[in-house]
Amino acid sequence: SQLAEENSWALSVHEGESVTVNCSYKTSITALQWYRQKSGKGPAQLILIRSNEREKRNGRLRATLDTSSQSSSLSITATRCEDTAVYFCATAPSSGSWQLIFGSGTQLTVMP
Amino acid sequence: DPKIIQKPKYLVAVTGSEKILICEQYLGHNAMYWYRQSAKKPLEFMFSYSYQKLMDNQTASSRFQPQSSKKNHLDLQITALKPDDSATYFCASSQEDTQYFGPGTRLLVL
Repeated sequence: SQLAEENSWALSVHEGESVTVNCSYKTSITALQWYRQKSGKGPAQLILIRSNEREKRNGRLRATLDTSSQSSSLSITATRCEDTAVYFCATAPSSGSWQLIFGSGTQLTVMP
Repeated sequence: DPKIIQKPKYLVAVTGSEKILICEQYLGHNAMYWYRQSAKKPLEFMFSYSYQKLMDNQTASSRFQPQSSKKNHLDLQITALKPDDSATYFCASSQEDTQYFGPGTRLLVL
């Protein structure tokens, strides 16, 4: 079973709109990471949010973390066509673990 | 310039054969990883290496063998290939918490 899982298979918005991708996880974590994967490319990290943080920003991206409900969200404002990608949340199964466990991902399509 | 190089980009193999996937990173990282992504499953962790030593192995099959000849190299040898091995294999490296992924090798086993 997945340690972390996005809550939607696919989302679509029009350019300029905002969108939020949600993720839930099953175990205690030290950090949760959001990655983006564009078609034909490897995943690229967007934001890492630690368990003692509630919010983290990176330009148009904003991640939140709620350890009480074991959930996280990634919001993108002023979306652009180039934001079209699969968005993953990922966690490590334990502190100091070398592996990342990814959710199944949410396909975001931004239409002109 | 690409910082993580994976070769080849595409690979077609016949069932039962052996292939080696190449990975080189030029980020100066000490930790390297292999992940697999197939149509049926999410991105799956396979191996992690640190300073050329195996740290974690989540691959049940011994047909998958990582090989680290240099600090910035982590190749993946796959023997007795099966159609189920068809997937995109990603190499990654890290210094701390952020893992940087290569472009992947897309393997098709016929």
